Amino acid sequence: KQEVTQIPAALSVPEGENLVLNCSFTDSAIYNLQWFRQDPGKGLTSLLLIQSSQREQTSGRLNASLDKSSGRSTLYIAASQPGDSATYLCAVPYNNNDMRFGAGTRLTVKP
Amino acid sequence: NAGVMQNPRHLVRRRGQEARLRCSPMKGHSHVYWYRQLPEEGLKFMVYLQKENIIDESGMPKERFSAEFPKEGPSILRIQQVVRGDSAAYFCASGNSNTEAFFGQGTRLTVV
Repeated sequence: KQEVTQIPAALSVPEGENLVLNCSFTDSAIYNLQWFRQDPGKGLTSLLLIQSSQREQTSGRLNASLDKSSGRSTLYIAASQPGDSATYLCAVPYNNNDMRFGAGTRLTVKP
Repeated sequence: NAGVMQNPRHLVRRRGQEARLRCSPMKGHSHVYWYRQLPEEGLKFMVYLQKENIIDESGMPKERFSAEFPKEGPSILRIQQVVRGDSAAYFCASGNSNTEAFFGQGTRLTVV
């Protein structure tokens, strides 16, 4: 059974700091991993998708890495801004029909 | 190319009424997934559908909940005889095999 864990559950940083969000999964037989952002009371926005053959993906100030063998992914946010405040979720496919989500990391970036 | 469209965005129902949630996938997507997010909890898978077929409904409650994805029109998640515990945000995602999933903005159901 695939279980996804995200650490930390909440994170508060001053504006401008670089930060790392962690995601771990128990079944390493995945074909991709996806990072999402969810703003309070809103839907999910896809940030990055990493295929199993890739080590990392970059989009602007975001960089996501994937280490399948150890069952880990990290989301690196450079030069954080107050607008980055949101909950960040990672998700992996499960049974080809399902996506298993972590509980998320709630990020607050203080001006 | 419009994204995944869910309506209504907010839905209020009295206990015992029926709730119908609609999801129109992105153009070209043949897979639809429904998820439920209870207050202060993570997203939980409910059901996976392709056109006219339910592929996996392992996350659906055994009673009162049903889903369909007809040949024409949106996917529908139906909740009969709603109870307060059904209050949640219901998200729909669409995609194709092994590709990125795109989510709608969700429908927030409140049962009073």
